[in-house]
Amino acid sequence: EAQVTQNPRYLITVTGKKLTVTCSQNMNHEYMSWYRQDPGLGLRQIYYSMNVEVTDKGDVPEGYKVSRKEKRNFPLILESPSPNQTSLYFCASKPSQGYEAFFGQGTRLTVV
Amino acid sequence: AQTVTQSQPEMSVQEAETVTLSCTYDTSENNYYLFWYKQPPSRQMILVIRQEAYKQQNATENRFSVNFQKAAKSFSLKISDSQLGDTAMYFCAFNNNNDMRFGAGTRLTVKP
Repeated sequence: EAQVTQNPRYLITVTGKKLTVTCSQNMNHEYMSWYRQDPGLGLRQIYYSMNVEVTDKGDVPEGYKVSRKEKRNFPLILESPSPNQTSLYFCASKPSQGYEAFFGQGTRLTVV
Repeated sequence: AQTVTQSQPEMSVQEAETVTLSCTYDTSENNYYLFWYKQPPSRQMILVIRQEAYKQQNATENRFSVNFQKAAKSFSLKISDSQLGDTAMYFCAFNNNNDMRFGAGTRLTVKP
């Protein structure tokens, strides 16, 4: 089944404790991206990647890191999480010449 | 940069009636896609309908249709014969291959 898989679905952590949210897709898509969803703000792009070893900042990259060592994986790293990073996170992928994005199930992150 | 605006934070409709959700966007691009995504309480992002900018004909998917006005940069979603299962958050999205932008969302409640 074609899908984008995020893990974990829920995470509660403490300020400053490094964490990684994984994202994997099995559709051989070149493009992958991370969004955070906050009430009243919709989905805002954090980082995106056009292909392996190519990443770029989105609208709200501060406090986040990403890597794209393999085509299928695009992990989101929070080196030192803070409470303002409490949010719902989505990973998405699409083919480079396509327009429809496929979303993961979302990760609800709470930083206390 | 592209922007997407949804001016209705919340809407409600009686079951079996019709409701229209508004979306406007701003871009200097000529080729792009527009989407409406539904997000039920499960948080999953579900594609409802998409419209290619180069097509003049409005897209239709069963009870869902759009009114695409390219010159006015408007992309509204009409839901006919509303059902209780249509209760969800709806996001309008713009995609021009390298950049996918979302509106803030409209929370739709279908009342019995």
